[in-house]
Amino acid sequence: GNSVTQMEGPVTLSEEAFLTINCTYTATGYPSLFWYVQYPGEGLQLLLKATKADDKGSNKGFEATYRKETTSFHLEKGSVQVSDSAVYFCALILTGGGNKLTFGTGTQLKVEL
Amino acid sequence: DAGVTQSPTHLIKTRGQHVTLRCSPISGHKSVSWYQQVLGQGPQFIFQYYEKEERGRGNFPDRFSARQFPNYSSELNVNALLLGDSALYLCASSLSAVQSLYEQYFGPGTRLTVT
Repeated sequence: GNSVTQMEGPVTLSEEAFLTINCTYTATGYPSLFWYVQYPGEGLQLLLKATKADDKGSNKGFEATYRKETTSFHLEKGSVQVSDSAVYFCALILTGGGNKLTFGTGTQLKVEL
Repeated sequence: DAGVTQSPTHLIKTRGQHVTLRCSPISGHKSVSWYQQVLGQGPQFIFQYYEKEERGRGNFPDRFSARQFPNYSSELNVNALLLGDSALYLCASSLSAVQSLYEQYFGPGTRLTVT
C-alpha cells in the first residue's frame, strides 16, 4: 500500500536556525508529493508541492525536492522564525488517485527566541 | 471570498448516538473530501464526492456515510458512535477531482468527542 513516514517531533529550534524535516514514502504508482502545515486551531494549508522526480517545490522560504531514487521529499528552510511554529505534514497522491491524500503522522516544530 | 466552512465547531456525543457534520466548499468548487484526524496522527481519507457522486472511499466502516447536495455542500454522517470515533473531522474542497491539477483547501474542522 501507500504510506508516508516522517521524522518524529517535536523539533525545537532557535530562531534563524536551519530546518530539516525528513519525509520518505512508499507508493504503488507514481505519486505527487506535498507538504501541508497546520497552525494551532486551524485547518491544513498547502505549503508546497512537486509532481515529478527532481521537481523542487518552494514557498515562504521552505523548499523540498522530489527524490525518486531515495523516495524522499525532505522539507528545508534556511532560517526559521517563531511564526513557523506549527505541525507539518508530508503527503502524497497517486496519479489518477483522485483527491485521496495519504498523510504522514506530522512533525511538530517549535521555534524559540 | 469565504474559505471552506464547517459546522459545528465542536460537539460532544454519547456512544451509540448518531452525528451529522456539515461542510460548505469554496464557491465554485465541485469536489468535497472528508478526512478524520485522530489526535497526534495525520488525517485519514474517508470520502470524496464530485458533482454529487461518490468518487472515492477510504477504509472506514459502513457506519460512515456522506452525501453532496446540488449546491455542492456536503454532510458526513456517523452512526452508532464509538469512543474511537473521537477526532477532528476535516473537509476539503477543490475545483476538480484531480489533486495534481487543483489544490485542496481545508476547513478548520469539527472536533467530535464521544463519551
